[in-house]
Amino acid sequence: GDSVTQMEGPVTLSEEAFLTINCTYTATGYPSLFWYVQYPGEGLQLLLKATKADDKGSNKGFEATYRKETTSFHLEKGSVQVSDSAVYFCALSRGAQKLVFGQGTRLTINP
Amino acid sequence: DVKVTQSSRYLVKRTGEKVFLECVQDMDHENMFWYRQDPGLGLRLIYFSYDVKMKEKGDIPEGYSVSREKKERFSLILESASTNQTSMYLCASSLARGTAGELFFGEGSRLTVL
Repeated sequence: GDSVTQMEGPVTLSEEAFLTINCTYTATGYPSLFWYVQYPGEGLQLLLKATKADDKGSNKGFEATYRKETTSFHLEKGSVQVSDSAVYFCALSRGAQKLVFGQGTRLTINP
Repeated sequence: DVKVTQSSRYLVKRTGEKVFLECVQDMDHENMFWYRQDPGLGLRLIYFSYDVKMKEKGDIPEGYSVSREKKERFSLILESASTNQTSMYLCASSLARGTAGELFFGEGSRLTVL
């Protein structure tokens, strides 16, 4: 069945460091791909998405490119801030908006 | 602002109790979902609904049921709570069916079953 695999956490970085969180997927057809973020004490919120191959989603300085050849959707940010500390979830849509989520990656940014 | 409200942020129940988790959305969304979130497992879909009085099983429906009597309200029911149902429960809603739309989540209900 469809699945999403994220890099193991937790990830700890210093402020202004470069961030990559790896995400790969297994799916039939052409799923849409998402990154959701969960800040402490809050529900998940959509960070960015891409609906077809080679699309790039971007928001708040974060980017991810839908790579069908490598079945990947890695999240990147050039310079992280303390306020980026959160749990990040990669997900795919297998139609009708039923999302399949990865296990989540906890990110901590130190000043 | 869109809003999904879950009735209780924290609950503590005893094994065998019946538990109701309530979720209300004010966005006139057709679709509503219940997920549970566990460390290392991410989010797993329990049940979802595309319309009033309609429900479909997700990936882990065992031990749960749901009710959707009104469009804005989607309830998750644990008929007889067990310790392995201790978890964070997240409700979500979305506007349209068949498209890769955005899910809007509530803040979650953390349930502890003793």
